[in-house]
Amino acid sequence: LAKTTQPISMDSYEGQEVNITCSHNNIATNDYITWYQQFPSQGPRFIIQGYKTKVTNEVASLFIPADRKSSTLSLPRVSLSDTAVYYCLVGDSAYNTDKLIFGTGTRLQVFP
Amino acid sequence: DTAVSQTPKYLVTQMGNDKSIKCEQNLGHDTMYWYKQDSKKFLKIMFSYNNKELIINETVPNRFSPKSPDKAHLNLHINSLELGDSAVYFCASSQDRQAHEQYFGPGTRLTVT
Repeated sequence: LAKTTQPISMDSYEGQEVNITCSHNNIATNDYITWYQQFPSQGPRFIIQGYKTKVTNEVASLFIPADRKSSTLSLPRVSLSDTAVYYCLVGDSAYNTDKLIFGTGTRLQVFP
Repeated sequence: DTAVSQTPKYLVTQMGNDKSIKCEQNLGHDTMYWYKQDSKKFLKIMFSYNNKELIINETVPNRFSPKSPDKAHLNLHINSLELGDSAVYFCASSQDRQAHEQYFGPGTRLTVT
């Protein structure tokens, strides 16, 4: 079973900031937190990855508190094209295949 | 240029048949993967392959076997197909086993009747 918990769905409007939180209470010391985006009929696409504090790239920001038991993906000023499913993964490497399980993810619907 | 490609995109076949899905990556990555996404949208890793080292998810039936003719290709062979094998299968690659950024192919929708 997936080691993460995310809201099943979220709604937003264009131009708003969206924050999707992922709970991972059993995160291990070596685990990284990775977020993927998946559009219908496509494979997941890497968004961002972090270990602690804050990571920002051209697409999103990832906030990780000190205890690392949760993380928040922040999408600034969403557009209609951000409508997708967002997955949170926790793991250290592909050696631990039981960790590489995408859960149901969070289905984000952006309205005009 | 397509980074990770899979063929076919759709595959419809009958129970008991043997089929293969091909995957190619042109990223120069060392590690490739196969995932299965079921009807509930859970995406679960089946295999991880790196430099001839195969890591198998123990829940995968031995009817499934990955075959890698070279570093850029990882094909998936499925023997004696069952109804429960119907799913979308994704191939992915990463720079190496420690890399967390994986690049996924477009998926192959397999329907077993």
